[in-house]
Amino acid sequence: DGGITQSPKYLFRKEGQNVTLSCEQNLNHDAMYWYRQDPGQGLRLIYYSQIVNDFQKGDIAEGYSVSREKKESFPLTVTSAQKNPTAFYLCATRQALNTEAFFGQGTRLTVV
Amino acid sequence: GIQVEQSPPDLILQEGANSTLRCNFSDSVNNLQWFHQNPWGQLINLFYIPSGTKQNGRLSATTVATERYSSLYISSSQTTDSGVYFCAAANTGFQKLVFGTGTRLLVSP
Repeated sequence: DGGITQSPKYLFRKEGQNVTLSCEQNLNHDAMYWYRQDPGQGLRLIYYSQIVNDFQKGDIAEGYSVSREKKESFPLTVTSAQKNPTAFYLCATRQALNTEAFFGQGTRLTVV
Repeated sequence: GIQVEQSPPDLILQEGANSTLRCNFSDSVNNLQWFHQNPWGQLINLFYIPSGTKQNGRLSATTVATERYSSLYISSSQTTDSGVYFCAAANTGFQKLVFGTGTRLLVSP
C-alpha cells in the first residue's frame, strides 16, 4: 500500500524524556515536512527537508531535531527542551516544487 | 513571510445549503492548496490551485492571484462535509506551506 505512514498514532511521554516520531513514505517524493497542530489552530512548520542529508528549520524548530539519512524516512525527535510538546504532529511530502503536498495521518503526543 | 487569513472562522449550515469559504493571502503565491480535516485529524487534499478554477463534484475552488485570494465553494452540503477546512499558501523557493487558522463547518441534517 503506497503512501505516508506515521507511527505511532498515539504517544505518551513523561516530562523530561525525549521521544521520536516516525514518518516513512514510499512515494519517492524528494521533500518532506513536519508540522505541529495545537487544538483549534492551523498547522505550523517545524522542520523540512528537500533532499537526503539536508534539512532546514521551520518557524518553531526550538526543542525539536530531525535527520534525513534516507529518502524514505524523516524522523522527528521531540526533546526535553520543548516546553509544550503536547500536540498533534503531521508529516507531509511533496514530489517536487510546484506540486501538491500530501499528509500522513498524524501522531498525537501527550506529555503526562 | 506570507500571511494567510481565512473567513468565516465558523459556519453552520442546514443540509442542502451552499457555502463559500474565503482565503486571503498577503503576497503573491506559487502554491495554494485547500484541505479538509476530518474528525480524526487527517488532512484530505481538496485542491491544488495556485491560480484559476477547478471543480470536483460538489466542490469547486477559484484562486485570483492578482487579487490575493482564493475561494472554496461547497454546493448542496452534506453532513459528511462537516469538519475544518484549511487553506495553505507558499511563496518561497522551498514552498513552505503557511496555513490559515481554518473554517470550522458544521452541516446539520
